Amino acid sequence: GAGVSQSPSNKVTEKGKDVELRCDPISGHTALYWYRQRLGQGLEFLIYFQGNSAPDKSGLPSDRFSAERTGESVSTLTIQRTQQEDSAVYLCASSSSLGQGYEQYFGPGTRLTVT
Amino acid sequence: ELKVEQNPLFLSMQEGKNYTIYCNYSTTSDRLYWYRQDPGKSLESLFVLLSNGAVKQEGRLMASLDTKARLSTLHITAAVHDLSATYFCAVDFSGAGSYQLTFGKGTKLSVIP
Repeated sequence: GAGVSQSPSNKVTEKGKDVELRCDPISGHTALYWYRQRLGQGLEFLIYFQGNSAPDKSGLPSDRFSAERTGESVSTLTIQRTQQEDSAVYLCASSSSLGQGYEQYFGPGTRLTVT
Repeated sequence: ELKVEQNPLFLSMQEGKNYTIYCNYSTTSDRLYWYRQDPGKSLESLFVLLSNGAVKQEGRLMASLDTKARLSTLHITAAVHDLSATYFCAVDFSGAGSYQLTFGKGTKLSVIP
């Protein structure tokens, strides 16, 4: 079946502009995660959604970052007033409580470059 | 502080050789994951380890978990060039149901013919 999809695959924006990144999880997956990967680094957790529960926003680096999810479907990550340090690959993952150990399946990522 | 440390961070090895990548973590967890990432690509799940003593094998890769030592190993047997990639371990420290993962910095493996 279809995996996790993300759009756009690449985004170049000017410093100070807002950007919106989209994630379509695997159908039926109740949990959705956003991570950030800076060049040559591991992944940093940003935010987690589980069903209709309040999201876990503990990883968001500043109030310029926000995310929404409609039910158990699409999620958008918004970065306002982008800064150069926001340049990274933003990865979305989803998981199902029916899977083993909440294994997370990752999308291809959105590469964000802030100039 | 929740930390996941991998070593080595860079590994160059010849085809046919064996080697082990180590993943240490800072506090109690019994959920550990190994992922592979090829350049410019997303993460591919390799192993899910959910209990002390868990051992899983797929082809030339074998992963194990020792929760008492807070250590996981990824053993490579008779390496081939196709195994060249970056390998990440990730630990679920949440214990409270959020299942967010804390990742190591990754081990970049280069297998030389």
